[in-house]
Amino acid sequence: EVVLTQSPATLSLSPGERATLSCRASQSVNNYLAWYQQKPGQAPRLLIYDASNRATGIPARFSGSGFGTDFTLTISSLEPEDFAVYYCQQRFNWPPLTFGGGTKVEIK
Amino acid sequence: EVQLVESGGGLVQPGGSLRISCAASGFTLSSHAMSWVRQAPGKGLEWVSSIVANGVDIYYANSVKGRFAMSRDTSKDTVYLQMNSLRVDDTAVYYCVKVLHPGGSNMIFDYWGQGTLVTVSS
Repeated sequence: EVVLTQSPATLSLSPGERATLSCRASQSVNNYLAWYQQKPGQAPRLLIYDASNRATGIPARFSGSGFGTDFTLTISSLEPEDFAVYYCQQRFNWPPLTFGGGTKVEIK
Repeated sequence: EVQLVESGGGLVQPGGSLRISCAASGFTLSSHAMSWVRQAPGKGLEWVSSIVANGVDIYYANSVKGRFAMSRDTSKDTVYLQMNSLRVDDTAVYYCVKVLHPGGSNMIFDYWGQGTLVTVSS
């Protein structure tokens, strides 16, 4: 099973700041990694797939990078609506499909 | 417009059974893999089960294997999750999820339902 470790668990930032979220896999997942955003009381939303491809309708301030075991989600300038929990997910080696434990981006 | 509408959640006693449904619209169900993902209260996301586009191959998390059964009815555009021998730790919001690309088993989850809450408690 591929274990995904996200860091930090919580990121405290102000609107307008840059957010850098990390996802590390226990073994290579090639580029088969996705990022999701979840706000309280809502279902997750796909942001990035295959490490660096933005999903339809996702603003350009969201970008993803990485390959193999180390991945990054970057939000270039935080908007008020970006404060949420972010999850990574791999689909390279499954079953099982696995998610990281999440990073909460909160307002400082 | 793609829509996924789950139903059938509720309160069930440990050891009981429940079937939840997901009504799909706005895309061709028979062409897409589908999955169930759950989220226990205050916790992260956990993959439960997936059915690939061919409708034959179905996969389960170890935590539910032998107790849960996923199926689909393309004539009704509906996906199901039959849950038996339910345990307290199965308590969660269950999301029905569609994959991005038709065909095969690409597991990029582009549309999520609103979720249905299953509570297992005596």
